[in-house]
Amino acid sequence: EDKVVQSPLSLVVHEGDTVTLNCSYEVTNFRSLLWYKQEKKAPTFLFMLTSSGIEKKSGRLSSILDKKELFSILNITATQTGDSAVYLCAAYNAGGTSYGKLTFGQGTILTVHP
Amino acid sequence: EPEVTQTPSHQVTQMGQEVILRCVPISNHLYFYWYRQILGQKVEFLVSFYNNEISEKSEIFDDQFSVERPDGSNFTLKIRSTKLEDSAMYFCASRKSWQGGLNTEAFFGQGTRLTVV
Repeated sequence: EDKVVQSPLSLVVHEGDTVTLNCSYEVTNFRSLLWYKQEKKAPTFLFMLTSSGIEKKSGRLSSILDKKELFSILNITATQTGDSAVYLCAAYNAGGTSYGKLTFGQGTILTVHP
Repeated sequence: EPEVTQTPSHQVTQMGQEVILRCVPISNHLYFYWYRQILGQKVEFLVSFYNNEISEKSEIFDDQFSVERPDGSNFTLKIRSTKLEDSAMYFCASRKSWQGGLNTEAFFGQGTRLTVV
């Protein structure tokens, strides 16, 4: 059975801190690893990682994938209160009869205090 | 910026009733999905839809569920006879075709919160 596990489940930090969120996966026909931010309702897309060892950056957020060890990390530097959200990691499964199904982790709840 | 639109945002229904959740995917996308998230739990895959047919479905997606793309823009999820345990947030998602053999990201709608009483 496909599995995605995130850690920690929750994290409380103060503004300005740097955080690292972890995601490990075991997915058949793995294609890519995605990170989403879920604030109130819809998950909003952050990154998609397909190749190992190549960092993707967007402002204060960055992410990297290790396909040998089957994990990814999401870093947020200089956190702000607006970063408070649930961060979801999801693995793309494609191949055979699969058409891009996402298997999600349980999410990391990040709370940033002023 | 194009977005996936879902209606209604919240639906309350009595156990045993039929509900239809509606989605308008992004217009040039070809793959469509329904996911659900029971309160406090993971987002779970229900079904994928491509080329006017179901391409994959999970164990959750039993005979009580069906999907349809009745016209060129809408994508619906029907639950025939709702149960209490169907109460969840239902997300529609869509994505473009594979590009150059690479994945394209899935975009999610705002969700429909279904409450079965």
